[in-house]
Amino acid sequence: GAGVSQSPSNKVTEKGKDVELRCDPISGHTALYWYRQRLGQGLEFLIYFQGNSAPDKSGLPSDRFSAERTGESVSTLTIQRTQQEDSAVYLCASSLGLRDPQHFGDGTRLSIL
Amino acid sequence: SQQGEEDPQALSIQEGENATMNCSYKTSINNLQWYRQNSGRGLVHLILIRSNEREKHSGRLRVTLDTSKKSSSLLITASRAADTASYFCATLNSGGSNYKLTFGKGTLLTVNP
Repeated sequence: GAGVSQSPSNKVTEKGKDVELRCDPISGHTALYWYRQRLGQGLEFLIYFQGNSAPDKSGLPSDRFSAERTGESVSTLTIQRTQQEDSAVYLCASSLGLRDPQHFGDGTRLSIL
Repeated sequence: SQQGEEDPQALSIQEGENATMNCSYKTSINNLQWYRQNSGRGLVHLILIRSNEREKHSGRLRVTLDTSKKSSSLLITASRAADTASYFCATLNSGGSNYKLTFGKGTLLTVNP
């Protein structure tokens, strides 16, 4: 069966541009998460969605970051006016429920020039 | 420091040897999970141990949990070159509505053929 799919796999953009990252979760998974991983580091929580509940946005580092999810399907993470410190791998995961193991995509490697 | 800190940061062993990685955390947990990450890929869930469990096995993996010491260990027996990866522990806090997994910085395991 299909796993979590993220696109693009790589994105290079100039400082100040907006970027949009996409995540297709596993079908039937109600929970969806976004993380940021800097080189050689662990995962930094950004946001999660659970069903129709209000998302937990407590990990978003600034108001330049936002995310949306359509029902229990695709999610997009948008970074506006990108800065060099935004360079990282952005990982998406989904799970059946909030206490269940998470299934990860391979991430989007974002490089800000 | 971060909830969920792995020790050691890096471990290099020969094929066939056992590898032990440790994780310490600070707050009460609902469960603790171990994940593996191969270079350039997303995380793969290995095993979940609940706060009322002390030990779990899965194939060549053995996880222990000591809630009194707020620590966990992951043992990989009879290691193989394919086990080379970064290993992360992640904790899910207990109580409330906080369902964020908190990841450590990981242990980089190298298994030499």
